[in-house]
Amino acid sequence: AQSVTQLDSQVPVFEEAPVELRCNYSSSVSVYLFWYVQYPNQGLQLLLKYLSGSTLVKGINGFEAEFNKSQTSFHLRKPSVHISDTAEYFCAVNGYSTLTFGKGTMLLVSP
Amino acid sequence: KAGVTQTPRYLIKTRGQQVTLSCSPISGHRSVSWYQQTPGQGLQFLFEYFSETQRNKGNFPGRFSGRQFSNSRSEMNVSTLELGDSALYLCASSYGTGMNTEAFFGQGTRLTVV
Repeated sequence: AQSVTQLDSQVPVFEEAPVELRCNYSSSVSVYLFWYVQYPNQGLQLLLKYLSGSTLVKGINGFEAEFNKSQTSFHLRKPSVHISDTAEYFCAVNGYSTLTFGKGTMLLVSP
Repeated sequence: KAGVTQTPRYLIKTRGQQVTLSCSPISGHRSVSWYQQTPGQGLQFLFEYFSETQRNKGNFPGRFSGRQFSNSRSEMNVSTLELGDSALYLCASSYGTGMNTEAFFGQGTRLTVV
């Protein structure tokens, strides 16, 4: 079985501040890890993915994430957020050929 | 390259009715997965189809069914609708079925059951 825990349901932050969205996973097999973003009334868009190799993964829109196997974490970071980053972010794992998602973290960026 | 297309975008149905949702994957993609998204349960996997065969199924009652056609287009059907079936239904397509395969999502069909 596999599961994903996103520790924060909402993260409020001011524009140009750094942000970290936390994700922990559990799986009895090796997994691949993903972060998706969902804007209002839209589907999911892939931000970045960890498949193998370097544990620091860079994605679109200036986001990056670090895979930590010992802590079973895959936290998402951005050094300086914009208003347009306001959206819901989902962490997901794939260890059994299906994606299992966390409950999501709503990132609220205010001026 | 066109993205994943889901139709219709919005749907209102009455309890007890049935509904069919459609998903056209990205050209060349042979795998289609369906997810249900609700505020309470989040994103839950419904089923996955590859080359017209159901490969995986989530923990949903038999009222939820799906199929895939030879052109990879997929439909999902929900019979005897309940109020709790109100949700955003998302379809995702991918080229293959490997665990490292990127899934591309459509904009979803928002189903409201009244």
